[in-house]
Amino acid sequence: EDQVTQSPEALRLQEGESSSLNCSYTVSGLRGLFWYRQDPGKGPEFLFTLYSAGEEKEKERLKATLTKKESFLHITAPKPEDSATYLCAVQASPGNQFYFGTGTSLTVIP
Amino acid sequence: ETGVTQTPRHLVMGMTNKKSLKCEQHLGHNAMYWYKQSAKKPLELMFVYSLEERVENNSVPSRFSPECPNSSHLFLHLHTLQPEDSALYLCASSQDWQGVETQYFGPGTRLLVL
Repeated sequence: EDQVTQSPEALRLQEGESSSLNCSYTVSGLRGLFWYRQDPGKGPEFLFTLYSAGEEKEKERLKATLTKKESFLHITAPKPEDSATYLCAVQASPGNQFYFGTGTSLTVIP
Repeated sequence: ETGVTQTPRHLVMGMTNKKSLKCEQHLGHNAMYWYKQSAKKPLELMFVYSLEERVENNSVPSRFSPECPNSSHLFLHLHTLQPEDSALYLCASSQDWQGVETQYFGPGTRLLVL
């Protein structure tokens, strides 16, 4: 069964304490993997798209990486404004299906 | 207005009411989506429209009825809902349906069914 699993479910970090969020997936054919950030009461905000194993993308304090089984979202020296829920989604073939994880709730403490 | 907008942002309705959610995208995209987001659950894809034609309907109860009059507007008509339908309803759009396309989301409508 195709699915996406994110861990941990929740993460509390001190400001400046780097860490990683995990998104593991089991799909028959990966077409793309997406990372989103969602603030309370708002819609998901697009961060990155990764297409193939070995690919990496960076934006400010965030870096996303992709292997054949999982993706990591690395957060370097986080700030309180990085607090949010981070969602991972996979687009799979056949059928062009989208699968979302349940998210990791990140809290960065000043 | 830019991006994807949704109205209303909050909605409280009784089980016998009829209401509609509206979504508008200003990105020139050809595909639009409705998702349901419930606490502790993954986003559930409800409907997909590509160039105003419905291409996905993921076993959604008939009390939810979508409408796409043009590629910029999407509606979700609601009638005789159940309390378990309370959730955040998200609209999204992407350039196309078939490619590996990033979906851009609106702010959502928080629905409470009493």
